[in-house]
Amino acid sequence: EDQVTQSPEALRLQEGESSSLNCSYTVSGLRGLFWYRQDPGKGPEFLFTLYSAGEEKEKERLKATLTKKESFLHITAPKPEDSATYLCAEKLSGGSYIPTFGRGTSLIVHP
Amino acid sequence: DTGVSQDPRHKITKRGQNVTFRCDPISEHNRLYWYRQTLGQGPEFLTYFQNEAQLEKSRLLSDRFSAERPKGSFSTLEIQRTEQGDSAMYLCASSPGTGPYEEQYFGPGTRLTVT
Repeated sequence: EDQVTQSPEALRLQEGESSSLNCSYTVSGLRGLFWYRQDPGKGPEFLFTLYSAGEEKEKERLKATLTKKESFLHITAPKPEDSATYLCAEKLSGGSYIPTFGRGTSLIVHP
Repeated sequence: DTGVSQDPRHKITKRGQNVTFRCDPISEHNRLYWYRQTLGQGPEFLTYFQNEAQLEKSRLLSDRFSAERPKGSFSTLEIQRTEQGDSAMYLCASSPGTGPYEEQYFGPGTRLTVT
């Protein structure tokens, strides 16, 4: 069965303290790895799509990377407004257009 | 571009009542998805439309759940004879429909509480 595992479940950082979030995905047949940000009480907001190992994408203080077995979301010098839940999702080969989401990492950045 | 909208944002209902939610996708997006999310979990897929055709349904979607997208634009999700276990955030998302691995754009969700 498809499985996306995110770690840690929760992360507390001080403002400016860089760190990384991990997403382990189903290795066989990966066609797309997605990162989303979700604020409390709101729908997820799309951040990045990664398609192949070695690919990297950046947006402000966030950088997403993909290896052959996992993806990382690196947060450089975070600010309190980066506090949110970060979700990753995988899309596997086959006929379905439906991604499988992980449970997310809840990030809190303290000023 | 107004984004995906959902109505209502919050719904409180008594067990056994029927509820209906509406989703308006981004205009010109062909694909529309419904998800359910509970606290501490990621979104769980319920059903998916390509234009007006409902192409996939999750086994999570019991007979009490029905979804429509009559003209390929807005969609409705109805839950009949609600149960306390139906309490969750119901999310709608849309995507352009131009490729198999495209990102989805989510609405703000409808928070359902069944008492």
